[in-house]
Amino acid sequence: GNSVTQMEGPVTLSEEAFLTINCTYTATGYPSLFWYVQYPGEGLQLLLKATKADDKGSNKGFEATYRKETTSFHLEKGSVQVSDSAVYFCALSALGGYNKLIFGAGTRLAVHP
Amino acid sequence: DTGVSQDPRHKITKRGQNVTFRCDPISEHNRLYWYRQTLGQGPEFLTYFQNEAQLEKSRLLSDRFSAERPKGSFSTLEIQRTEQGDSAMYLCASSPSPWDSVSGSDSYEQYFGPGTRLTVT
Repeated sequence: GNSVTQMEGPVTLSEEAFLTINCTYTATGYPSLFWYVQYPGEGLQLLLKATKADDKGSNKGFEATYRKETTSFHLEKGSVQVSDSAVYFCALSALGGYNKLIFGAGTRLAVHP
Repeated sequence: DTGVSQDPRHKITKRGQNVTFRCDPISEHNRLYWYRQTLGQGPEFLTYFQNEAQLEKSRLLSDRFSAERPKGSFSTLEIQRTEQGDSAMYLCASSPSPWDSVSGSDSYEQYFGPGTRLTVT
């Protein structure tokens, strides 16, 4: 079946550090891939997405590249800020599944000044 | 703001009671999803509506759960005879329905509501 595995948290970084959160997936066919973010006290928000192999999604300084050969969609940011502290979820939606999302367990990021 | 709204935001109930949650999607969205999120986990899909038709239900949705979307607008999720294991955050999401003919995939964003946190004592 379809599944998403992402690195366990929490990830603790100092401001301006480089961020990588690993995400790998298992799916039949070619799913669309997403990163959602949940800030404290708020609902899930789409951060970025990629719909086919080698696509790069980007938003707010975050990037992730759809790697079919390694079935990965790692999230990166060159210089994190305190305001990036949140829980990040990797997700996929597979063809024929009414676009329902399958999420990873989430990775909590804490950025300190 | 015309985002997805959910009511109530918090619900505390005793084991064995029935509870009902409401979701109001973004008005022009004909797709509506319910998910459940337990502490430390990602959301898990429960059920999907396209307009008023319930087209998919997860095996997580036991017989005690029922969802409706009359007239294809708001949706309700009812849990009968609640159990402590039902304690979770219940999330609603909506999205538009156009098909992406270029990629052949339906990749439209789902917009999530703030959730209803259920605590069963």
